[in-house]
Amino acid sequence: DTGVSQNPRHKITKRGQNVTFRCDPISEHNRLYWYRQTLGQGPEFLTYFQNEAQLEKSRLLSDRFSAERPKGSFSTLEIQRTEQGDSAMYLCASSPRVGSRAYNEQFFGPGTRLTVL
Amino acid sequence: SQQGEEDPQALSIQEGENATMNCSYKTSINNLQWYRQNSGRGLVHLILIRSNEREKHSGRLRVTLDTSKKSSSLLITASRAADTASYFCATDALTILTGGGNKLTFGTGTQLKVEL
Repeated sequence: DTGVSQNPRHKITKRGQNVTFRCDPISEHNRLYWYRQTLGQGPEFLTYFQNEAQLEKSRLLSDRFSAERPKGSFSTLEIQRTEQGDSAMYLCASSPRVGSRAYNEQFFGPGTRLTVL
Repeated sequence: SQQGEEDPQALSIQEGENATMNCSYKTSINNLQWYRQNSGRGLVHLILIRSNEREKHSGRLRVTLDTSKKSSSLLITASRAADTASYFCATDALTILTGGGNKLTFGTGTQLKVEL
């Protein structure tokens, strides 16, 4: 078990560019979450997948944001036409199947820090 | 939006002392969880307390939950320099997401500094 991994760890981009982040959850976890965390705040929920199905999206996830989990394993989060307000840490978390041990816990990756200039 | 707030926002103590952090939340919950985050990194799960529990222990951690007051506290005993981090409470709402997902709602965090 290597934990949740996220790539890249840091991304600096210019306003208006598109960026894509990747999350690799713990292999046996079927539930995957994306959160956004700005400086001095706690993480805020963005979206949730069970296997490959995206089952919940926050109102924070504007139409410039899209997330996928095509094969129910890794997930990508894309931001189109980035704005300075998108600068934040983007965190991915995964959870084991309902009924599994620790199924209520979420295991977080190290995050991708996005800076939009 | 943030579910609630941690109090204090920042706490500085000496190694060996106890640290107490409080969390208030707004809605009914299934459980409440505490996470630790070291500077600029991901979160690590510390402890979970269910809505029908009042107190829980794990090593040097003690968590209490008062659902009537919608509040929780985290006590770290005999603190160490390595405990320096931000601590967040997160509530798992009563409404479960489709497919069994649980959307955690985090507070604003307490920054704990443990000095040698």
